[in-house]
Amino acid sequence: GQQVMQIPQYQHVQEGEDFTTYCNSSTTLSNIQWYKQRPGGHPVFLIQLVKSGEVKKQKRLTFQFGEAKKNSSLHITATQTTDVGTYFCAVPFGTGANNLFFGTGTRLTVIP
Amino acid sequence: NAGVTQTPKFRILKIGQSMTLQCTQDMNHNYMYWYRQDPGMGLKLIYYSVGAGITDKGEVPNGYNVSRSTTEDFPLRLELAAPSQTSVYFCASSPRDSGNQPQHFGDGTRLSIL
Repeated sequence: GQQVMQIPQYQHVQEGEDFTTYCNSSTTLSNIQWYKQRPGGHPVFLIQLVKSGEVKKQKRLTFQFGEAKKNSSLHITATQTTDVGTYFCAVPFGTGANNLFFGTGTRLTVIP
Repeated sequence: NAGVTQTPKFRILKIGQSMTLQCTQDMNHNYMYWYRQDPGMGLKLIYYSVGAGITDKGEVPNGYNVSRSTTEDFPLRLELAAPSQTSVYFCASSPRDSGNQPQHFGDGTRLSIL
């Protein structure tokens, strides 16, 4: 079955510091999605990466897809308290229906 | 648009009771999903549907049933509630298209079984 590991499990940073979470797969991926879940909230789609070596930016967030399409990272520059939450990577699995396998997530705490 | 709407938001059940978690979406999405999220964990797929009348098992289907009589609605049924089913349940939907599409989530149902 699909195996995707996400590290670290937790990260505490001072406001203004950078943050990175990594997602690693044992198999080559067709694409990878990233979601953010605020405490007590629901997952919200951030971005999808499809191409080998792809880099996409959303303001202070930088998403990368590895050359071998087996790993991905999300980097936040100069964290703010609004960045608090859990960040999940999600990869396709099964056949049809756009099914996703979610990683275990990285919970980010930002200390003001 | 309301997006994906789940009811109820909270529920406490006794062991052995049954209940239905409701989910409806107004985006005309073909695909719908039910996940459970245990504390501090990721999401596990329970059941999914590719359209009205078609459902299939996900990763953790035991103890649950679903139906999809319309495009909009995808209820999840717990027949004999067990403490292991204490969790937060999320319903999601996505459009049918080539390649993977983003999933849109409801606010969740927080279910405790005592």
